[in-house]
Amino acid sequence: AQSVSQHNHHVILSEAASLELGCNYSYGGTVNLFWYVQYPGQHLQLLLKYFSGDPLVKGIKGFEAEFIKSKFSFNLRKPSVQWSDTAEYFCAVYSGGGYNKLIFGAGTRLAVHP
Amino acid sequence: DGGITQSPKYLFRKEGQNVTLSCEQNLNHDAMYWYRQDPGQGLRLIYYSQIVNDFQKGDIAEGYSVSREKKESFPLTVTSAQKNPTAFYLCASLEGAGANVLTFGAGSRLTVL
Repeated sequence: AQSVSQHNHHVILSEAASLELGCNYSYGGTVNLFWYVQYPGQHLQLLLKYFSGDPLVKGIKGFEAEFIKSKFSFNLRKPSVQWSDTAEYFCAVYSGGGYNKLIFGAGTRLAVHP
Repeated sequence: DGGITQSPKYLFRKEGQNVTLSCEQNLNHDAMYWYRQDPGQGLRLIYYSQIVNDFQKGDIAEGYSVSREKKESFPLTVTSAQKNPTAFYLCASLEGAGANVLTFGAGSRLTVL
């Protein structure tokens, strides 16, 4: 069965630190990749997505992610985090067959201390 | 503003009681989804509906039921058969063929006492 693995369940950083959240998936074919973010008390919202083309994808709020096909990875990065980035981050992978097949990772809870 | 409204935001119920969570969207989206979110487990699909009057089981449908009588509404009932109903429930929608980004509601947190 296809799966999505997020390496860290909890990450604690100080403001201005760099962030990298890992995401690996198990499907070998064509995939669409997503990072969603859930800020405290808010809707789950799309941070960025990759469908094709440039494997370095830029999203909202200074986030970016790099698709490395050979590593089945789609890691999320931000060079300098802010307190307002405190949230839970979910990686998701779609490999076709209807969006009922969209698979989410377990999530990474990020806490940024001022 | 277009979006998805879930209610109630918080709900407490006793064991053995059925509970219905509301999900309404004014986005004119065709497909709607119910997910369950548990700490450390991400989002798991309960039920989905791609068109009015039709719905399909997701990965963890046991103990849940849904209906889709109107395009804008997709209520979820958590029945007494659900063994571990305490969770955060998220409703989402998708515009239609070719669409590729889910829109989520704010969620409903159910606690069974």
